[in-house]
Formats: sequence, structure tokens, C-alpha cells
Amino acid sequence: SQQGEEDPQALSIQEGENATMNCSYKTSINNLQWYRQNSGRGLVHLILIRSNEREKHSGRLRVTLDTSKKSSSLLITASRAADTASYFCATDFRADKLIFGTGTRLQVFP
Amino acid sequence: DVKVTQSSRYLVKRTGEKVFLECVQDMDHENMFWYRQDPGLGLRLIYFSYDVKMKEKGDIPEGYSVSREKKERFSLILESASTNQTSMYLCASSSPAADTIYFGEGSWLTVV
Repeated sequence: SQQGEEDPQALSIQEGENATMNCSYKTSINNLQWYRQNSGRGLVHLILIRSNEREKHSGRLRVTLDTSKKSSSLLITASRAADTASYFCATDFRADKLIFGTGTRLQVFP
Repeated sequence: DVKVTQSSRYLVKRTGEKVFLECVQDMDHENMFWYRQDPGLGLRLIYFSYDVKMKEKGDIPEGYSVSREKKERFSLILESASTNQTSMYLCASSSPAADTIYFGEGSWLTVV
């Protein structure tokens, strides 16, 4: 059972543009995380936002969380070709077991 | 750095074969997980383990079993491989005190 769903499924932009991905989830959470997956590789943790936080930054990443709407967004500013990857949100609605969404495939063209 | 190592990156097995996917982590993590990843379906949890010799079913345990005899090692077993088990398998580990989980590089399994 999928807890999170990312939107859009795929996104293509030019280098230098900003990329925004959204995640919606169904039940109450303690935190929400975003992971990145390069093609054919494992997932790498990017950023975590707790349920009592509304916004968090890490380098070129900005994450927002709206618990009333059960949604989160990941913004990558000034994107680079190296940002090309799939991005997944994950929630912890079952303790210790992260539940992942289906991901957004981001393509950044040089 | 945390390292989660999956012993096989690419495997090709025949229908009906018994398949072992091995995963080792070097951070003394209590929790270990096996996920399966398929296009359009995202990551689905197969089994997880909170401690040695403990295991719990995830969302799609049918056709799979697991073994955790040592804390650092978590094995996924396909008793009789079928073509619908062709997929990418991802192992992960975490500490109960932490929120982040760490993934291996994945094992691509093709069942012919």
C-alpha cells in the first residue's frame, strides 16, 4: 500500500531552472523524507522534515510540509545536469518502516 | 560512512531455481529491510527485521523468505524463482534511534 504519491511523475527542465516536485500522503506522520536515486543505483537520503516543521533548507534544496493538506514539496534551485535522477518521498506512518512513493523522474538538460 | 553491500549486482536465474540475495551492513544497525522496485510501482517492502532471528512481513512477502542469523547480514530467499520476480531488489538498514535509512546499490534479478 503506497503512502506517498509524487507529482509530477516526470519533469524535464533546462539547467539553471528550478524544479519542484510534490508529495501527497494519506495518514498522520512523524516526519517526511526525500530520497534521490540515480539511474540503476540505490537511494540516497536528501533531507528530513518533521511534522512540527513547515520548511527546511539544505544547500539548493528547499522542502515544505503542510500537514493540514498532507502534502510536501521539494524545490531544487538552479538545477544542474547532475541533478538528473528520480526523487522519492518517504513517510514513517508505521514506526521504523519507511513507506515510499512512486517517485518523480527529473531530467535536467544542459 | 555507512555502507550497505549487496553481494550481487546482476543475476540471471532460471524459473524454479532457489535464489539467495545477500546484504551486509557495517554500521551495527538493528533494522534491516528488503524492498522491491518496479517501474510505476515505486519501492515495495518485502520483509524487514528488527533484530537477529526476527523477521516481519512487509507489503508483498508472498514468494519470499528471509534469514537474519547475524546482526550485520540479512538475506532474501526466493524458494522457487518465477518470472514475475524479475525486478530490482534493494536492501537497506537503519538504527532505531535514527530516522534515515541507508540503501545498498541494488541487485538486478532476471528470472528466465
